[in-house]
Amino acid sequence: GAVVSQHPSWVICKSGTSVKIECRSLDFQATTMFWYRQFPKQSLMLMATSNEGSKATYEQGVEKDKFLINHASLTLSTLTVTSAHPEDSSFYICSATSGLDTQYFGPGTRLTVL
Amino acid sequence: EDQVTQSPEALRLQEGESSSLNCSYTVSGLRGLFWYRQDPGKGPEFLFTLYSAGEEKEKERLKATLTKKESFLHITAPKPEDSATYLCAVQANQAGTALIFGKGTTLSVSS
Repeated sequence: GAVVSQHPSWVICKSGTSVKIECRSLDFQATTMFWYRQFPKQSLMLMATSNEGSKATYEQGVEKDKFLINHASLTLSTLTVTSAHPEDSSFYICSATSGLDTQYFGPGTRLTVL
Repeated sequence: EDQVTQSPEALRLQEGESSSLNCSYTVSGLRGLFWYRQDPGKGPEFLFTLYSAGEEKEKERLKATLTKKESFLHITAPKPEDSATYLCAVQANQAGTALIFGKGTTLSVSS
């Protein structure tokens, strides 16, 4: 149980284009989903918290207009990186919780912006 | 400020050589402490949740313990497949369900 999937697992795009990443909870309803970013050999950095049907709460320093988050249902959240640039290249990971404390993580999405 | 510090940053063991990883934390009010395992290029895999001092949890060769200031992840007779980065995270009362992560300990077990 408690499986979270992400799609795509990796994506390469040109600078200036937008990329959408999906995060799904497969066997539970996720009241809250989180989006993290991880640079090589560093720990996870929380970007935003999203609750189903509500606007996402962004961490300080995260650009809301660049990283659009939608949590339209209890099993799906999406992160759209708008007008991506090479500095947005990173490993993006989502997590989900059913309202209890434990967060279950997806496998991550490797984004490379050329 | 809520903070999580893990030590050592890296640990090399021989197969069968038991050891412990440390996670010290400073948090306004601990709601829970979590251990995850992360393999390269993958998302963290949940291992344990600990809620109160004195609590212990075990899974195969891993055992997690918690005090009021730190947690230990004990690895007994490790195998090469235990090689990974182990992440510790805390959940503070006032932070809702957001996790604060340490930088992790990268464990390498050689045969």
